[in-house]
Amino acid sequence: NAGVTQTPKFQVLKTGQSMTLQCAQDMNHNSMYWYRQDPGMGLRLIYYSASEGTTDKGEVPNGYNVSRLNKREFSLRLESAAPSQTSVYFCASTQSQGSNTGELFFGEGSRLTVL
Amino acid sequence: GENVEQHPSTLSVQEGDSAVIKCTYSDSASNYFPWYKQELGKGPQLIIDIRSNVGEKKDQRIAVTLNKTAKHFSLHITETQPEDSAVYFCAASDDYKLSFGAGTTVTVRA
Repeated sequence: NAGVTQTPKFQVLKTGQSMTLQCAQDMNHNSMYWYRQDPGMGLRLIYYSASEGTTDKGEVPNGYNVSRLNKREFSLRLESAAPSQTSVYFCASTQSQGSNTGELFFGEGSRLTVL
Repeated sequence: GENVEQHPSTLSVQEGDSAVIKCTYSDSASNYFPWYKQELGKGPQLIIDIRSNVGEKKDQRIAVTLNKTAKHFSLHITETQPEDSAVYFCAASDDYKLSFGAGTTVTVRA
């Protein structure tokens, strides 16, 4: 099993450009998440989807949009990238539906640089 | 909201020695406390977790303790090995929201 797959692994954007980070999981999990990781700040939740067809804001949603395309796929879109969005982005999934008390399975991350 | 503080931010230990990482949380409703290990270039991976009805849990060289009264929990790694070098994150959840600490970079010196 591949687990959680994120694409692309690396991306450089100019300020104002848009892009979409793709995430797919093959574990039939209900809930999916997007986190960003910045030095000294741990992992901060951007958006999550407790089940297919639902999405909710996390701790730092400004400047991002998400789409739960189906049960497997959860994409993160930056409409107009800003240097403050330079970060490493992680997609994660868990079997639990709407509950954060189960193991999270993470992808390998997408490193985004905005110039 | 929940605030999770993690200390120290960096930890260097001699191979074979023990490593201890401490976390505090603010929300008394938190009832699930996982620990994740992140190796270089990889995503975090769960290594151990504890729920609020348990005071201590062990898995081989790793143990976690929880003090609900003081709102703190700790990760203990005994007999450290080079493969224990990584970033470790603690987290706390109240069923609906999982909050992570800032991480501890552990280096095991040969």
